[in-house]
Amino acid sequence: GQQVKQSSPSLTVQEGGISILNCDYENDMFDYFAWYKKYPDNSPTLLISVRSNVDKREDGRLTVFLNKSGKHFSLHITASQPEDTAVYLCAAGAGYQNFYFGKGTSLTVIP
Amino acid sequence: EAAVTQSPRNKVAVTGGKVTLSCNQTNNHNNMYWYRQDTGHGLRLIHYSYGAGSTEKGDIPDGYKASRPSQENFSLILELATPSQTSVYFCASGDWGDEQYFGPGTRLTVL
Repeated sequence: GQQVKQSSPSLTVQEGGISILNCDYENDMFDYFAWYKKYPDNSPTLLISVRSNVDKREDGRLTVFLNKSGKHFSLHITASQPEDTAVYLCAAGAGYQNFYFGKGTSLTVIP
Repeated sequence: EAAVTQSPRNKVAVTGGKVTLSCNQTNNHNNMYWYRQDTGHGLRLIHYSYGAGSTEKGDIPDGYKASRPSQENFSLILELATPSQTSVYFCASGDWGDEQYFGPGTRLTVL
């Protein structure tokens, strides 16, 4: 089965609004959670990551929320801008194991 | 800065032909990965390695082989290419439970 799921393939947000991207995972042993950003014809790059010992991490306009009991984590982008338009991939993994990536959510920020 | 390079960047192959995709990293990471990205599937792990001389099967290894002759180099080999292997292939390097650094990708078309 799919270890990491992004249920929304696409999301459209008005410029200045909050973009909320969601990810669910299967394995409650996962202890590393990350969000990658990917532009068309480019490779994924890490945006932000958290370990399982925290519930929240902020970095500028980005905040990751981790809900371990619900096996869910999300990325909030405040003051969304047109340059945030991209595909966002969530990833999760555990210790000495590989990551599992979600299928991605395509975010479009409308000016 | 982390550096992962791939060659070739674009490749057109014929069905039944042999294709070798190469990846080089200067990060001194132990782990290296080969993914393919297809619309609707996100990133799927084909093979990975946790050090020179090791190769391990990922989630979709059928039709692919891998080779890790050194810490820096990791190759993906398609012995008998098929049209279903037309895709964009990404190599990445990283350490367990930490960020993965991706190469620029190789666009492979099998006719």
